[in-house]
Amino acid sequence: KAGVTQTPRYLIKTRGQQVTLSCSPISGHRSVSWYQQTPGQGLQFLFEYFSETQRNKGNFPGRFSGRQFSNSRSEMNVSTLELGDSALYLCASFPYRAGYNRPNTGELFFGEGSRLTVL
Amino acid sequence: AQKITQTQPGMFVQEKEAVTLDCTYDTSDQSYGLFWYKQPSSGEMIFLIYQGSYDEQNATEGRYSLNFQKARKSANLVISASQLGDSAMYFCAMRGKIQGAQKLVFGQGTRLTINP
Repeated sequence: KAGVTQTPRYLIKTRGQQVTLSCSPISGHRSVSWYQQTPGQGLQFLFEYFSETQRNKGNFPGRFSGRQFSNSRSEMNVSTLELGDSALYLCASFPYRAGYNRPNTGELFFGEGSRLTVL
Repeated sequence: AQKITQTQPGMFVQEKEAVTLDCTYDTSDQSYGLFWYKQPSSGEMIFLIYQGSYDEQNATEGRYSLNFQKARKSANLVISASQLGDSAMYFCAMRGKIQGAQKLVFGQGTRLTINP
């Protein structure tokens, strides 16, 4: 079973540019969430998508956006890049079950991340 | 608000020794899940073990066990018989029903180094 695939793995951009990162979840997983990891702030939740709808968003500026396609693949976009956006961006997929209210043993499956460097 | 605290930025352990990584949490939710993830230098977050707030027994997965003390709000990870390949960053995380989202709140992590 293929894992979560993130592309590109590494990229370098300059301030003011924009970037798009892609995430293909595990087959059958309909929920995709994104996290930003930096040495200073650690791992922070960006947003989550389910069935092409954003279900929740973390405390990030509007420059950070995302979307999910009908095949559950997700993209996130960062516009007007700043130096502080340099980070490892991790995508995680989850076999979400509708109406489930109790946290279950279903762990989030993470990809290897996209490492963004902003110069 | 939910919060995870890992007080050990780094730990050094001799190979084959047992190691305990500390994790305390804060939440007002009655139902929540606690996770430990391992992050090697490649960057991928690897799931290790899960403990549900209603689980009465401590979770175990091979060499990993979770010492869950609900009253103290702690969820320490114990690795028995450590191996060189255990060297990595370890993150404790919590998930509750936050607006129905699959959102994990992570601690700052502990960098574990296993010495031969």
